[in-house]
Amino acid sequence: SQQGEEDPQALSIQEGENATMNCSYKTSINNLQWYRQNSGRGLVHLILIRSNEREKHSGRLRVTLDTSKKSSSLLITASRAADTASYFCATDGITGNQFYFGTGTSLTVIP
Amino acid sequence: NAGVTQTPKFQVLKTGQSMTLQCAQDMNHNSMYWYRQDPGMGLRLIYYSASEGTTDKGEVPNGYNVSRLNKREFSLRLESAAPSQTSVYFCASSGWSVSTEAFFGQGTRLTVV
Repeated sequence: SQQGEEDPQALSIQEGENATMNCSYKTSINNLQWYRQNSGRGLVHLILIRSNEREKHSGRLRVTLDTSKKSSSLLITASRAADTASYFCATDGITGNQFYFGTGTSLTVIP
Repeated sequence: NAGVTQTPKFQVLKTGQSMTLQCAQDMNHNSMYWYRQDPGMGLRLIYYSASEGTTDKGEVPNGYNVSRLNKREFSLRLESAAPSQTSVYFCASSGWSVSTEAFFGQGTRLTVV
């Protein structure tokens, strides 16, 4: 399988705290993306980081990428109850024609 | 714009029945994808179509067939449904390459009894 893995599988924090989730993947990549999935809904794109980038910011999101370790992290700062969702990383695979998703981190933000 | 539209939203099949899941996108995207999502397994790629007229197998293609009817539409067919195909199915589309984001439909919850 080319799937990556997110860690932790589940995370519960208080509103206002920061949430960090990690993604490990198996193959060389061109890009890595993070998506959010609210319960019962489709996935929504959050941020894309290219293989030649080490860090990227978008609003309260900060993504890092370490291609030597084949890992990425997503940091959500000052979390809100509305951030409660599952978060998935996605890589573009060896041929670059597909998106391969990890197993996801379920984040619960307690008001 | 509707984005990616999947039909139906829910379906119950008996083992051995067939059905087709429909997907259409209105964003003029070249690439389209079918995924299944199972608890603890994340999303697994079933088939994808990099452009109109081409389809390729993903990670878990067995038991499924696809048709890229035109640039807008990409259907997934279960010829003889099995309980192991009980899952939530998502269709997605993206631009020219995976350097762009994927847009997802709302999913089809399929139960095979």
